[in-house]
Amino acid sequence: EAGVTQFPSHSVIEKGQTVTLRCDPISGHDNLYWYRRVMGKEIKFLLHFVKESKQDESGMPNNRFLAERTGGTYSTLKVQPAELEDSGVYFCASSQEWAGNNEQFFGPGTRLTVL
Amino acid sequence: GQSLEQPSEVTAVEGAIVQINCTYQTSGFYGLSWYQQHDGGAPTFLSYNALDGLEETGRFSSFLSRSDSYGYLLLQELQMKDSASYFCAVSRYGQNFVFGPGTRLSVLP
Repeated sequence: EAGVTQFPSHSVIEKGQTVTLRCDPISGHDNLYWYRRVMGKEIKFLLHFVKESKQDESGMPNNRFLAERTGGTYSTLKVQPAELEDSGVYFCASSQEWAGNNEQFFGPGTRLTVL
Repeated sequence: GQSLEQPSEVTAVEGAIVQINCTYQTSGFYGLSWYQQHDGGAPTFLSYNALDGLEETGRFSSFLSRSDSYGYLLLQELQMKDSASYFCAVSRYGQNFVFGPGTRLSVLP
């Protein structure tokens, strides 16, 4: 069974540019989560999809971030325009049931550097 | 606010036992999970506690005391490959996860 995959693995962009991150969850997993880890600090929750619906987007920092999950399969996270403080590692995770009492499977992350 | 506290670093030698503590202060509590992350890698699930007590999975055990808002991860027979960051995370029903700042474990030969 393939794990969670993310693309790209690294992205270096300039302030003001746009970047789109992609996450492919494990097949059949309805729950998809986005997280961010900035400068070795804690892993911060961004949002949670159940199929194509946003269950919880309370962690999205501002309206420069837009997440979609059309068709309930893969998800994209767009940052537009990117700011310096957006640099960090963006993780995606998926789970079949809500991960609160189950394991969530993380992808390898996308390291975003905004210059 | 929501906060979890963990020691920032722990160092131990191969074969030893180490305990990584986690205290939490969150609105709502469903369970406490532990994740391991090697440098540059993806966090991987280690264990989950919803009820008070000890859960054992091989060399790793996790403990929870809900009344004390406290848990710990116990790693036995440490191996070099256990060098990694360890995160505790609180899940809250109807809400999502809050992760701790992570504890960097260094295992020395």
